Amino acid sequence: QKEVEQNSGPLSVPEGAIASLNCTYSDRGSQSFFWYRQYSGKSPELIMSIYSNGDKEDGRFTAQLNKASQYVSLLIRDSQPSDSATYLCAVNPLDSSYKLIFGSGTRLLVRP
Amino acid sequence: DTAVSQTPKYLVTQMGNDKSIKCEQNLGHDTMYWYKQDSKKFLKIMFSYNNKELIINETVPNRFSPKSPDKAHLNLHINSLELGDSAVYFCASSLGTANTGELFFGEGSRLTVL
Repeated sequence: QKEVEQNSGPLSVPEGAIASLNCTYSDRGSQSFFWYRQYSGKSPELIMSIYSNGDKEDGRFTAQLNKASQYVSLLIRDSQPSDSATYLCAVNPLDSSYKLIFGSGTRLLVRP
Repeated sequence: DTAVSQTPKYLVTQMGNDKSIKCEQNLGHDTMYWYKQDSKKFLKIMFSYNNKELIINETVPNRFSPKSPDKAHLNLHINSLELGDSAVYFCASSLGTANTGELFFGEGSRLTVL
């Protein structure tokens, strides 16, 4: 299986700070990239998708994609304690439109 | 109304037993999935179905038998359960293919094999 790698964390930031989450992927042909958030004991939910190089902003969230470096990141501005969760990077590989490959997630802890 | 619902939420069983998990989505989506999440939170694709047809079987042992009676339902039957099958199993659905749309996940079914 093609790989998606993330630092497991935990990444601890104070409330109001910027949290930066990173992800690398091995399939150079991948075209679609996603960030999911998973609260403890809950199911994953989509927070951002990105398809082309550069930045995409949605509220406090910014996704960044660099296909040449095979790198995706998620920035969370003005982090809140409610942002404390595991963030899963997901990639659609070139060989199939019918699956997402997930990383093992980075646990984010926002300290009040 | 729950969009993707799975039953049961918890299963505890002995090695060697057989168990089933049911999944239903009321979103009108064409594609459904089974994912397995292990204790390290790694979420791994098992099966994908599109309009009741199997699209992906991600080298899952044949003890696992998915069945899709219609595009709104995708069930999972597991024979001869092993300790390593202990995990949370998530059902998900998407309107189209995974590369263009959001996956909506069910609440998960936690399977514990003793």
